[in-house]
Amino acid sequence: AQSVTQLDSQVPVFEEAPVELRCNYSSSVSVYLFWYVQYPNQGLQLLLKYLSGSTLVKGINGFEAEFNKSQTSFHLRKPSVHISDTAEYFCAVNLAGKSTFGDGTTLTVKP
Amino acid sequence: DAGVIQSPRHEVTEMGQEVTLRCKPISGHNSLFWYRQTMMRGLELLIYFNNNVPIDDSGMPEDRFSAKMPNASFSTLKIQPSEPRDSAVYFCATSGPTEYEQYFGPGTRLTVT
Repeated sequence: AQSVTQLDSQVPVFEEAPVELRCNYSSSVSVYLFWYVQYPNQGLQLLLKYLSGSTLVKGINGFEAEFNKSQTSFHLRKPSVHISDTAEYFCAVNLAGKSTFGDGTTLTVKP
Repeated sequence: DAGVIQSPRHEVTEMGQEVTLRCKPISGHNSLFWYRQTMMRGLELLIYFNNNVPIDDSGMPEDRFSAKMPNASFSTLKIQPSEPRDSAVYFCATSGPTEYEQYFGPGTRLTVT
């Protein structure tokens, strides 16, 4: 079975600062990796995904993530955040069509 | 496409009443997932269907919960009888046959008093 650990439950950051949201996973087989974002009172929406190929993947809104197989990590980064990035972020792994989600990281961007 | 459609968006009911939540998947998507989200427990997978067949219902909390997918265009999640601890946001999500990401609906916020 696979599992996902998001290492920070809350990340406060000032506007225009860089941010990294950390995600580690465990699985005995290769999995597909995702980051989703949830804005208040909305469903989750896909930010980016890693299926294969380049370990650096770029997503919407200037976010990117790097797959590190040896460290079983898939950390999300953005070089300069905006107030509008305030939301909850979920890391997920997919195996055989079923996704396992982390507990989420609340990103709060302060002016 | 209109995306995943859920109804109702909000439901307030009294303990003991039956509640039915509805989901219309994106056309062509053959996998459908029901999730429950609460502050205490986060996002929990309740059940998922593939080609209208329930594949894994191990997340369904108890016999009060049931889910059906009579055709590729419609699914329901029923709670009977409802209890205050069922209060949560319920999400339906779907994915296509060649995709691995899930597309979430806007959710139904259920309040049981």
